[in-house]
Amino acid sequence: GNSVTQMEGPVTLSEEAFLTINCTYTATGYPSLFWYVQYPGEGLQLLLKATKADDKGSNKGFEATYRKETTSFHLEKGSVQVSDSAVYFCALRYSYIPTFGRGTSLIVHP
Amino acid sequence: GAVVSQHPSRVICKSGTSVKIECRSLDFQATTMFWYRQFPKQSLMLMATSNEGSKATYEQGVEKDKFLINHASLTLSTLTVTSAHPEDSSFYICSASVRDRGDYEQYFGPGTRLTVT
Repeated sequence: GNSVTQMEGPVTLSEEAFLTINCTYTATGYPSLFWYVQYPGEGLQLLLKATKADDKGSNKGFEATYRKETTSFHLEKGSVQVSDSAVYFCALRYSYIPTFGRGTSLIVHP
Repeated sequence: GAVVSQHPSRVICKSGTSVKIECRSLDFQATTMFWYRQFPKQSLMLMATSNEGSKATYEQGVEKDKFLINHASLTLSTLTVTSAHPEDSSFYICSASVRDRGDYEQYFGPGTRLTVT
């Protein structure tokens, strides 16, 4: 079946540090890949997505590249801010039902 | 962008009572709506998928008689937790899906925090 594996959190960084959150997936065929962000007490917001191999999704300084050869979709940001503190979910989707990873909590200190 | 609302955002109820949570797509008609449950520091667990006018499809292990889902229109779905117990306390999130230019876009509500005392 389909599955998504994310690195364990929490990830704790100082402001302006470089961020990487690893995500790998198992799937048959070629799903679309997503990163969602959840701020405390809120629902999920789509952060970025990629629909085919080698596509790069980007938004608000975050980037992730769809790597078919390594079945990965790692999230990166060059310089994090305190306001980026949230839980980040990697997800894959065939048709219209997504499969989510367990989420990675990011804590950014001033 | 598309907006999905949930009401109420927080609810506290006594054990044995029923609670209804509404999910609305405010500016679009949703092909499908989903209900998720999220435990503290955990991922989203899909509870059920519903299409307008038809019965919901429940995931394995989810009690359909306890979690009643009604999808009366293309913009409204409701989740009723019947005879709630403390173990039903959780964060419930709905999402609405719409087909856009050949792909499905999914939009999430802000969630409802249910506390059963």
